[in-house]
Amino acid sequence: DAGVIQSPRHEVTEMGQEVTLRCKPISGHNSLFWYRQTMMRGLELLIYFNNNVPIDDSGMPEDRFSAKMPNASFSTLKIQPSEPRDSAVYFCARGSPTGANYGYTFGSGTRLTVV
Amino acid sequence: GENVEQHPSTLSVQEGDSAVIKCTYSDSASNYFPWYKQELGKGPQLIIDIRSNVGEKKDQRIAVTLNKTAKHFSLHITETQPEDSAVYFCAASRGGSYIPTFGRGTSLIVHP
Repeated sequence: DAGVIQSPRHEVTEMGQEVTLRCKPISGHNSLFWYRQTMMRGLELLIYFNNNVPIDDSGMPEDRFSAKMPNASFSTLKIQPSEPRDSAVYFCARGSPTGANYGYTFGSGTRLTVV
Repeated sequence: GENVEQHPSTLSVQEGDSAVIKCTYSDSASNYFPWYKQELGKGPQLIIDIRSNVGEKKDQRIAVTLNKTAKHFSLHITETQPEDSAVYFCAASRGGSYIPTFGRGTSLIVHP
């Protein structure tokens, strides 16, 4: 969706390397969400921000994961060091203009493969 | 917390047939129920939603029904087309201030 731009689309990295995923929400509510999608666990909420402030990071699996939102139009999700079990599709989503959780706009995702 | 169950996990239909995907939820305070469609290589896209003050909502070939008493809601697609093939997710939440809980998804395959 043009409302949320994610990069890169695909990332292949070796175990132990640092990985940074990027998200640019173009417009919408001032809430931003990071999700991880796997076959085994479906869609998992990792963290969400409101007005650039992290509100709930209880879904972040480990200290190896960190997320930042320095301004309203940019966010990053970093994994350091990466492990093969981190392989998944990571989505960024923004909230609806009518209210944060009344329908999200997702980006196209970043497919991460850790070998 | 909320628990959302979605069935079936896979649904295969012939073009022109109808498809129905069902979800149940556990939190009686939930009042917002969106449905998302995820095409291959893309992120989920909101296709329709319903709030608890209505029992049914339609948008062309897509309809959603809600039974608050039984705590279940369904997505109905009529006259299916190959481009309807995708993974569909249901979700439930208490509304705008609450994070939705997603179902595990249904892979719909429409055979031409």
